[in-house]
Amino acid sequence: QVQLVQSGAEVKKPGSSVKVSCKASGVTSSSYTITWVRQAPGQGLEWMGRIIPILGVPDYAQQFQGRFTITADESTSTAYMELSSLRSDDTAVYYCARSGIMAAFDFWGQGTQVTVSS
Amino acid sequence: QAVLTQPPSVSGAPGQTVTISCTGSSSNIGAGYDVHWYQQLPGTAPKLLIYGNTNRPSGVPDRFSGSKSGTSASLAIAGLHTEDEADYYCQSFDSGLNVYYVFGTGTKVTVL
Repeated sequence: QVQLVQSGAEVKKPGSSVKVSCKASGVTSSSYTITWVRQAPGQGLEWMGRIIPILGVPDYAQQFQGRFTITADESTSTAYMELSSLRSDDTAVYYCARSGIMAAFDFWGQGTQVTVSS
Repeated sequence: QAVLTQPPSVSGAPGQTVTISCTGSSSNIGAGYDVHWYQQLPGTAPKLLIYGNTNRPSGVPDRFSGSKSGTSASLAIAGLHTEDEADYYCQSFDSGLNVYYVFGTGTKVTVL
């Protein structure tokens, strides 16, 4: 069974950066894709970007290009997302998810709360 | 950023059937891309409910069914249970924007 475990909640100051990890286990294929999704308080789901760890090349939603970086360490089956120049409206829960059959997001991490506050 | 439109809320009594629509355009659903549906219970991560328009992952009750036609898709919940009270999101691929994947605006299902 695939399991994605994310790092813990973070509280950050405006202008700083945050890096969230997502460790995968139980994945049998080496060419899986990890996607990052954001959910602001009381809001819907927003696709941020994706990476295939074995290739290491990320894709980003246009609105996240520039401040958002996805990386992966294939040796530890861990994906990372880093958001820089944090603003108060970056306060959200950040999820990682795996793309499975028909590219549906079939397994999700538990989510990481990032709070940006002075 | 959401380009798939869903009704904000739907409600029904236990045992009733409710349907949630997901309206897209020619760059996503209308282009033939698959639609997937997710259920999000309060305070938890989303869970895949329907994939590839009509398919249920193992463990999802057959009360949940999906369909797709033209630029829209629908999720039906038959025989509504109290535990079905949650937020539901559709999701597809979009070729018209530099965003690749898009979610619906989300629908809150309330069991009366």
